[in-house]
Amino acid sequence: EIVLTQSPATLSLSPGERATLSCRASQSVSSYLAWYQQKPGQAPRLLIYDASNRATGIPARFSGSGSGTDFTLTISSLEPEDFAVYYCQQRSNWPPTITFGQGTRLEIK
Amino acid sequence: QVQLQESGPGLVKPSETLSLTCAVSGYSISSGYYWGWIRQPPGKGLEWIGSIYHSGSTYYNPSLKSRVTISVDTSKNQFSLKLSSVTAADTAVYYCARLGVTTLSCWFDPWGQGTLVTVSS
Repeated sequence: EIVLTQSPATLSLSPGERATLSCRASQSVSSYLAWYQQKPGQAPRLLIYDASNRATGIPARFSGSGSGTDFTLTISSLEPEDFAVYYCQQRSNWPPTITFGQGTRLEIK
Repeated sequence: QVQLQESGPGLVKPSETLSLTCAVSGYSISSGYYWGWIRQPPGKGLEWIGSIYHSGSTYYNPSLKSRVTISVDTSKNQFSLKLSSVTAADTAVYYCARLGVTTLSCWFDPWGQGTLVTVSS
């Protein structure tokens, strides 16, 4: 089973700053990783799929990169609405499972 | 626009079976896609429960497989989750979602709003 480890657990930044969130897989997942944003009391929202493709309606300040075991979600200039929890997610073909990282909380400094 | 809505009891007794339904609007389940259930215990992260194709093929989280059944009703355009022998550890917000799938990847989009299920006597 592939384990996804996100770091840091909490990231404290100010609006306008650049945020860099990491997701590391215990074995290679090629470029097949997704990122989600979750705000309190809301369902998660897809941001990025296949490591670097922005989902429909996602602002250009969100970008994803990486392949193999190391992936990054970058928010180029934080807006007040970006402070939330972010999860990465991948799929394994065998056994056929889907796993999420434990999340990174992005909080206002 | 595809929308998903979970429904079911908010309170289930220990050892009983949790049953939830996800109604899909704006898209016909029989047209394709996988559909899935994900849960989130209070204050914790996301856990995939299982997924189903419109034809009825299913995949389950190995840690829950012995207790989970996911089914689809194309005539009602909905799919359902049953989790048996529940304990307090199954208390969570349960989400349904559509899966975008390629040969090697998948992602959940869109999601339902979620429904809180509490296991308590």
